[in-house]
Amino acid sequence: EAGVTQFPSHSVIEKGQTVTLRCDPISGHDNLYWYRRVMGKEIKFLLHFVKESKQDESGMPNNRFLAERTGGTYSTLKVQPAELEDSGVYFCASSPLDGGAKNIQYFGAGTRLSVL
Amino acid sequence: AQSVTQLGSHVSVSEGALVLLRCNYSSSVPPYLFWYVQYPNQGLQLLLKYTSAATLVKGINGFEAEFKKSETSFHLTKPSAHMSDAAEYFCAVSEGDYGQNFVFGPGTRLSVLP
Repeated sequence: EAGVTQFPSHSVIEKGQTVTLRCDPISGHDNLYWYRRVMGKEIKFLLHFVKESKQDESGMPNNRFLAERTGGTYSTLKVQPAELEDSGVYFCASSPLDGGAKNIQYFGAGTRLSVL
Repeated sequence: AQSVTQLGSHVSVSEGALVLLRCNYSSSVPPYLFWYVQYPNQGLQLLLKYTSAATLVKGINGFEAEFKKSETSFHLTKPSAHMSDAAEYFCAVSEGDYGQNFVFGPGTRLSVLP
């Protein structure tokens, strides 16, 4: 079974540009989460989808960040325009809606975003 | 609000020595607790979890953790460190069993010396 896949693994952009990160969750996982780790600090929650609906977006830093999950499958996180402080590692995680594994979140390898 | 603290951003042990990584949490409800490990250039991998069953939890790679409610702790241990254990370790807490987001500690980088 394929794990959580994130693309790209690394993105380098200039301040003011737009970047789109993609996450493919484990097949069948209705919960999808985005997290971010900035400069060696804590990994912080950004938002949570249940299928295609945003369940909780309380961690989104500002309106330059837009997350979508069309059709309840893969998700994208767009940063527009990117600022220097957006640099960090963006993690995606997924979990099933039901069953014994619903407490466990399975993480992707992350996308390292560098804004210059 | 939930929070997690991990004492020691960097821990060094000798190969074969005991590994002890500390995690303390705060939660207003009975928590779900997790330890994740991140090896270089890889994603977060679940080591073990506590979800209100046995207080001593065994995980992968010989790691275990004990939930102590009175101390609000969930420390991670391994009797004998191996070079391959060198990685960054994260403790996380979640409230509730329905898709609640995780709150992570700042992480502890473990170095294993030959």
